[in-house]
Amino acid sequence: EIVLTQSPGTLSLSPGERATLSCRASQSITSNYLAWYQQKPGQAPRVLIYGASSRATGTPDRFSGSGSGTDFTLTISRLEPEDFAVYYCQHYDTSLTFGGGTKVEIQ
Amino acid sequence: EVHLVESGGGLVRPGGSLRLSCAASGFTFSDYWMHWVRQAPGKGLVWVSHINNDGITTNYADSVKGRFTISRDNARNTVYLQMNSLRADDTAMYYCARRFPSGIHLYLDSWGQGTLVTVSS
Repeated sequence: EIVLTQSPGTLSLSPGERATLSCRASQSITSNYLAWYQQKPGQAPRVLIYGASSRATGTPDRFSGSGSGTDFTLTISRLEPEDFAVYYCQHYDTSLTFGGGTKVEIQ
Repeated sequence: EVHLVESGGGLVRPGGSLRLSCAASGFTFSDYWMHWVRQAPGKGLVWVSHINNDGITTNYADSVKGRFTISRDNARNTVYLQMNSLRADDTAMYYCARRFPSGIHLYLDSWGQGTLVTVSS
């Protein structure tokens, strides 16, 4: 079973700064099956990135995904106030696995 | 517009049962695999179960295997989660979600707002 480890657990940044979130898989995975989600308090998650680097419909271009093998990254180039949220990576195989999440909070 | 609306949550005693429903609209329901994902209060997302588009193939997380059953009624555009032998650690918000239909990229492209299940005596 693949385990996804996200780091850091919490990222404290100011609006306008760059955020770099990491997702590490316990073994090499197919990039096609790696996605990133954003969840705000009281809301359902929504997909931001699929296939490791493709932006979902409605995802602003300040969000970008990269990586391959075991190491994947979600980058937010310049944080907007609405970007402060929790982010999860996800891998889909015969079942679905989520990372533990990274909270991006206002410093 | 895609809509997924969960219902059926509530307070139940340990050992009890609940059946969750997720009513879908705005898309051809029978074309899509459907999932249940849960989130305990203050915790992360945990996958629970999925069912393929015709209801033949299902899969479960080990933590619910043998206790939960996923099913669907394509005529009613609804997916269900029958939860038996409930435990305190099943307490969570339960989301239903639709899987993006392509076999090339696998992810959940639409989510409901969730229904809260609380297991407590």
